[in-house]
Amino acid sequence: DTGVSQNPRHKITKRGQNVTFRCDPISEHNRLYWYRQTLGQGPEFLTYFQNEAQLEKSRLLSDRFSAERPKGSFSTLEIQRTEQGDSAMYLCASSLALGLAGSSSYNEQFFGPGTRLTVL
Amino acid sequence: AQSVSQHNHHVILSEAASLELGCNYSYGGTVNLFWYVQYPGQHLQLLLKYFSGDPLVKGIKGFEAEFIKSKFSFNLRKPSVQWSDTAEYFCAVNANTGFQKLVFGTGTRLLVSP
Repeated sequence: DTGVSQNPRHKITKRGQNVTFRCDPISEHNRLYWYRQTLGQGPEFLTYFQNEAQLEKSRLLSDRFSAERPKGSFSTLEIQRTEQGDSAMYLCASSLALGLAGSSSYNEQFFGPGTRLTVL
Repeated sequence: AQSVSQHNHHVILSEAASLELGCNYSYGGTVNLFWYVQYPGQHLQLLLKYFSGDPLVKGIKGFEAEFIKSKFSFNLRKPSVQWSDTAEYFCAVNANTGFQKLVFGTGTRLLVSP
């Protein structure tokens, strides 16, 4: 399967613990996105990378959240001191941009299966 | 700020019925518009997209959508639904400003009874 993959698919944790999710984009894709989806809502944008540069961050991304893409390939999303309100599906998407970083060109985003986080 | 409204949260249809799902967005500038579908147990997949040109766009599986700029709408249609169309449908917009984020609506759950 050459699509976007995410691990783990499910994570149950206790409030206050730290969790880390991984996303592997489609291999040639240079843009990577994180979204969060809660029950009954559509996905909400969190952040986006072009290669290793983090170019956009949502106000939803509090200081407890940090995302990295150190080598411009896979990405990790870490949530520190989890709260029950963090329970959600965390989605990753990737796309191929042919322009420079910050280029205004928009490219189709391909989504992964998501990581479902439950904070007890 | 951009926002997307999907007024139909749940739709139930019989097979062969026609489908129209509403989508309205709020943004005054140029936009890129999308419909994504999520089948039970599967991830989000792109159904169709509009960037520019002909406002009537055709997607996969017989779906089409019409962009009406004056109404800020991008409604999804299918003349005859099948049981396999049971899924959740999300409308999304990207403001053509260089920012890459997609803004999604809350989704419409479609149930097609055989």
